[in-house]
Amino acid sequence: NAGVTQTPKFQVLKTGQSMTLQCAQDMNHNSMYWYRQDPGMGLRLIYYSASEGTTDKGEVPNGYNVSRLNKREFSLRLESAAPSQTSVYFCASPERVSGKAFFGQGTRLTVV
Amino acid sequence: QKEVEQDPGPLSVPEGAIVSLNCTYSNSAFQYFMWYRQYSRKGPELLMYTYSSGNKEDGRFTAQVDKSSKYISLFIRDSQPSDSATYLCAMTAGNTPLVFGKGTRLSVIA
Repeated sequence: NAGVTQTPKFQVLKTGQSMTLQCAQDMNHNSMYWYRQDPGMGLRLIYYSASEGTTDKGEVPNGYNVSRLNKREFSLRLESAAPSQTSVYFCASPERVSGKAFFGQGTRLTVV
Repeated sequence: QKEVEQDPGPLSVPEGAIVSLNCTYSNSAFQYFMWYRQYSRKGPELLMYTYSSGNKEDGRFTAQVDKSSKYISLFIRDSQPSDSATYLCAMTAGNTPLVFGKGTRLSVIA
């Protein structure tokens, strides 16, 4: 049971470069989330997808785009990376109604 | 006022102590309450889950929810060095994204 799988685990980008973070879940959940975690800031929601074909902004969406490719996959794209986007990114997939969310292991991104 | 408030600590206790971790919240629509444990450089893992008010016990862990006071707690009995981690409270109204506290860093000293 893989649960939620994120790739890559680590990445270093130069300012202005682009990249896509991949996330896949095998729990047949409808919803998927992207969070970022920064020291002293907790987990902040970037974007979420309540179902295949829908996406919504969270608390900190600026500088990011997302694609819900199918029920399993939800990607996060940085079009022009900035040092302020240095963070640890987590993908999560919650159960319907209860909200119990299961997390991937995270992507540690550094923008220099 | 943030929707969910949690003291970030750090909290340092001797092995065997009882640990109390707390969160307060402002949104009365929250009905589902969770505690996550996060070890260094790992993803958060679900530790305890409670629906509405009341207590839930699982081994050395007890979660309490008091909706009238908008206050939730996690108690750890007979704390162990392996309990050293960051503990995050989280909550949702249901079918809405989880809202997290900032997390409390706990160290249990042998």
